[in-house]
Amino acid sequence: KNQVEQSPQSLIILEGKNCTLQCNYTVSPFSNLRWYKQDTGRGPVSLTIMTFSENTKSNGRYTATLDADTKQSSLHITASQLSDSASYICVVSATGGSYIPTFGRGTSLIVHP
Amino acid sequence: EADIYQTPRYLVIGTGKKITLECSQTMGHDKMYWYQQDPGMELHLIHYSYGVNSTEKGDLSSESTVSRIRTEHFPLTLESARPSHTSQYLCASSRDVYNYGYTFGSGTRLTVV
Repeated sequence: KNQVEQSPQSLIILEGKNCTLQCNYTVSPFSNLRWYKQDTGRGPVSLTIMTFSENTKSNGRYTATLDADTKQSSLHITASQLSDSASYICVVSATGGSYIPTFGRGTSLIVHP
Repeated sequence: EADIYQTPRYLVIGTGKKITLECSQTMGHDKMYWYQQDPGMELHLIHYSYGVNSTEKGDLSSESTVSRIRTEHFPLTLESARPSHTSQYLCASSRDVYNYGYTFGSGTRLTVV
């Protein structure tokens, strides 16, 4: 069964600090992995998307990495801001089956001033 | 910027009422999805469609129904709303089976009183 596990479940950091969120998956055969940011009460917004051949993708202060061999991804946030407080969701798509993407439960990030 | 629109943004209705949540996209995507999400919880797939006249039930059992008469339109209907239907409903679409260009709407926050 395809699964996506995210850690930690929640994280509290001080403004200006860096943090790293983790995503482990068992989705196979792998097609792509996306990280989304979801503000409270809003729809998720895509931050990065990576395919099998990509191991790093940046979007401003957000940098995602992918190790397709170990089936792990991370999202690194640099110099956090109060507006980074949100849920970060890892989503993995396969190349076969129903093609329905598998969602992680998300990591809730709170940035304190 | 997302080209997928959900209306209404917020809805408060009485028990037993019939409601339709609207979702439209202007990207010409064939695949569309409905997710249900309770506050602070993960997204659950309730319906999806691969194209016109195609609808399938998702992982989470739902008393709602959907239709796909036009490519750009994927409405969700509750024939008789109950308090247990109180939740956020998110619509999404993707341009191909590998879920590239997977985009979410802003969501409809439904409260049944």
